[in-house]
Amino acid sequence: EPEVTQTPSHQVTQMGQEVILRCVPISNHLYFYWYRQILGQKVEFLVSFYNNEISEKSEIFDDQFSVERPDGSNFTLKIRSTKLEDSAMYFCASSGDNFPYEQYFGPGTRLTVT
Amino acid sequence: DAKTTQPPSMDCAEGRAANLPCNHSTISGNEYVYWYRQIHSQGPQYIIHGLKNNETNEMASLIITEDRKSSTLILPHATLRDTAVYYCIALDSWGKLQFGAGTQVVVTP
Repeated sequence: EPEVTQTPSHQVTQMGQEVILRCVPISNHLYFYWYRQILGQKVEFLVSFYNNEISEKSEIFDDQFSVERPDGSNFTLKIRSTKLEDSAMYFCASSGDNFPYEQYFGPGTRLTVT
Repeated sequence: DAKTTQPPSMDCAEGRAANLPCNHSTISGNEYVYWYRQIHSQGPQYIIHGLKNNETNEMASLIITEDRKSSTLILPHATLRDTAVYYCIALDSWGKLQFGAGTQVVVTP
């Protein structure tokens, strides 16, 4: 069964450093998402991406964040200058262009900012 | 998207049916009810969705009241692997999922 994959599974970085989280969505999907979950808290929406542009973003997704689909398979989330509060699990998801648009999530990347 | 309300937790004995309620009294006519679950910090997993008819798939059944103000997810024979947080979400098309706190279900032997 096709699945969403994410790399790395765990990333440790120092405050102020740039990080890139990588995702390979399911191959025929057209909608892509990033969510995050701070330890012990709810899953929060960050951004949705369709047709090579951002469709919607949350208040969390400020100028420090960017997303890109550099080729036909990868979908990346970049954090330009990480802060301690960016430490969280980051989930990528994708969905097809047919109803019910169920989202398939990857296993997540645990980001630890020290 | 309509707000949903779920109990914070429930226990279920292995092999028994788990009935998870969800209130969505402000749901609009074009919003579907989706259920996802998250097993211990893994990525959320889609379970089932419905509009107004009852639905069943290989994972669960979904019962939606006639007035659509509430629904119940049924796991017919709960196993230990069903221990997870279950989320009920109202959504009218593709787009962001707004996760609440969900219901923590613990299946006990």
